[in-house]
Amino acid sequence: SQKIEQNSEALNIQEGKTATLTCNYTNYSPAYLQWYRQDPGRGPVFLLLIRENEKEKRKERLKVTFDTTLKQSLFHITASQPADSATYLCALDNMRRGSYIPTFGRGTSLIVHP
Amino acid sequence: DAEITQSPRHKITETGRQVTLACHQTWNHNNMFWYRQDLGHGLRLIHYSYGVQDTNKGEVSDGYSVSRSNTEDLPLTLESAASSQTSVYFCASSGGAEAFFGQGTRLTVV
Repeated sequence: SQKIEQNSEALNIQEGKTATLTCNYTNYSPAYLQWYRQDPGRGPVFLLLIRENEKEKRKERLKVTFDTTLKQSLFHITASQPADSATYLCALDNMRRGSYIPTFGRGTSLIVHP
Repeated sequence: DAEITQSPRHKITETGRQVTLACHQTWNHNNMFWYRQDLGHGLRLIHYSYGVQDTNKGEVSDGYSVSRSNTEDLPLTLESAASSQTSVYFCASSGGAEAFFGQGTRLTVV
């Protein structure tokens, strides 16, 4: 069966350090992978998308890598700040009838300590 | 600005009652989705729609139905609410890969 795995344990880091979150998947051949941020009581918000033919994508302090051989994506936040504390979700496309349906992992909570 | 809104934000209902959660988007997106989010399960797809008059079942569709009579709205109906349907419900829309989510509806079935 298809699985998307993210570390269920919260990641605690000190302000200024780089946070690295992992997303592993099995039985998928995604055309792309996305990362979303979710704050308590709010809906997920899109951050980055990386396609299967891309190895790395950057946006400001965010960096995503995508290794289709390892079936893994890494999500990095450099120079982390307490405001980065949130749950981060990875999502794979589950393409049906030519349209994309995001399928989500359970998310990893990031806590950045001042 | 375009947006996606859900109503109500909070709802308490009794077992066996029919409940409808509203979702309205002004992005003019063809694709709309309903998810539920529970501790330990993450976001799970209930139903989705690719356009007007198109609806499809997701992985946890039992006990739920949707209808799509226009582009903007995808209401979610719980035919006979059960305690197992206590959850936070999110509606989303997309015009491509990126999904835009509503703020969620917290439903409690007592």
